[in-house]
Amino acid sequence: GQQVMQIPQYQHVQEGEDFTTYCNSSTTLSNIQWYKQRPGGHPVFLIQLVKSGEVKKQKRLTFQFGEAKKNSSLHITATQTTDVGTYFCAGRVSGNTGKLIFGQGTTLQVKP
Amino acid sequence: GAVVSQHPSWVICKSGTSVKIECRSLDFQATTMFWYRQFPKQSLMLMATSNEGSKATYEQGVEKDKFLINHASLTLSTLTVTSAHPEDSSFYICSAKPSYESPLHFGNGTRLTVT
Repeated sequence: GQQVMQIPQYQHVQEGEDFTTYCNSSTTLSNIQWYKQRPGGHPVFLIQLVKSGEVKKQKRLTFQFGEAKKNSSLHITATQTTDVGTYFCAGRVSGNTGKLIFGQGTTLQVKP
Repeated sequence: GAVVSQHPSWVICKSGTSVKIECRSLDFQATTMFWYRQFPKQSLMLMATSNEGSKATYEQGVEKDKFLINHASLTLSTLTVTSAHPEDSSFYICSAKPSYESPLHFGNGTRLTVT
């Protein structure tokens, strides 16, 4: 079936270091979305990428969608302790319901 | 805008009993809602797609008779875990979106513990 693979599973960084998480889909996606889940909380929408090769920025966060619309990445520059949490990518499956397939998530720990 | 409310936040029940979880879209109508299950430190696994006025669409491996879904109105979907067992203990999260192209908005989740 359709899968979205995300790596790494965990990442520990020193505050101020950069962080990147990668997603790869087994099939072409209509779009990809990124969510952040804080410990004990629910996923919160960050951004959606639709176009091939699209790049979007939110302050220190940079999101990319691959040319083939099968992979994506999230890069955080100069991490802060507030960046702690689990980052999920979610690929939109074409079809009537538009269901999302979530990656396994990358849990980021930031040491102050 | 686009607030999704889920109730209860947590529930403890005895093995063999049933538990109902409600998911409401507070400021928009949702013909489709999604139910996810999340084990500790794991990803969100889509269980089923709840369709207003019709039967839910279950993902492969999810027992329909075990996880009953009812989407009776445009703002309410319920998930009933029937004859719960300890292995059903998990974090259940619902989500909905105002339109097809919108991102998902998640409820706060329900932590179910079956003793």
